[in-house]
Amino acid sequence: EADIYQTPRYLVIGTGKKITLECSQTMGHDKMYWYQQDPGMELHLIHYSYGVNSTEKGDLSSESTVSRIRTEHFPLTLESARPSHTSQYLCASSEHGRNYGYTFGSGTRLTVV
Amino acid sequence: TQLLEQSPQFLSIQEGENLTVYCNSSSVFSSLQWYRQEPGEGPVLLVTVVTGGEVKKLKRLTFQFGDARKDSSLHITAAQPGDTGLYLCADINFGNEKLTFGTGTRLTIIP
Repeated sequence: EADIYQTPRYLVIGTGKKITLECSQTMGHDKMYWYQQDPGMELHLIHYSYGVNSTEKGDLSSESTVSRIRTEHFPLTLESARPSHTSQYLCASSEHGRNYGYTFGSGTRLTVV
Repeated sequence: TQLLEQSPQFLSIQEGENLTVYCNSSSVFSSLQWYRQEPGEGPVLLVTVVTGGEVKKLKRLTFQFGDARKDSSLHITAAQPGDTGLYLCADINFGNEKLTFGTGTRLTIIP
């Protein structure tokens, strides 16, 4: 049973379109993250949040933006999609503390044509 | 910047065989986690190890943390097709609790 939900699962969109990838969690976690992953490759952190109205850029530079207006919701937006944005985007959340793992969503596979 | 190297990058073995995959860090791990990711899904946490020399078992999976906390191994006994997936090690930063992932080992178990 998933406690973190991402929509859509798959998205094919034309260059220049604005898109928003949705991520919601029901666990009440303060910390949320967005990772980018090319097929079969490692995950790279692009955005994270430690709570409402808190957002930070991750280790990998990204043209996307995020917002955190509600604890449970952490959407990611691309103002103008390009083919270089084609990738899988994974959302995760966690409790505070080093001994807690991340709970990941199933991801959104984005293809920009 | 911490670098987490995993080996081998790809591994394909027959069902029933044993295998070991490795994770090595350029610096001391704060707290090491192992995840498995199946195709089309997000990673799922398998285990967290904190103490150098620690060994944890999860059914047929044995996780070992190096004494110096710079390396770890995952051993699978009698591999099954359900073990197929991308195995990722990760370090959680002591200060900001961000996860840094390794390069991954893609494991395929052939029935």
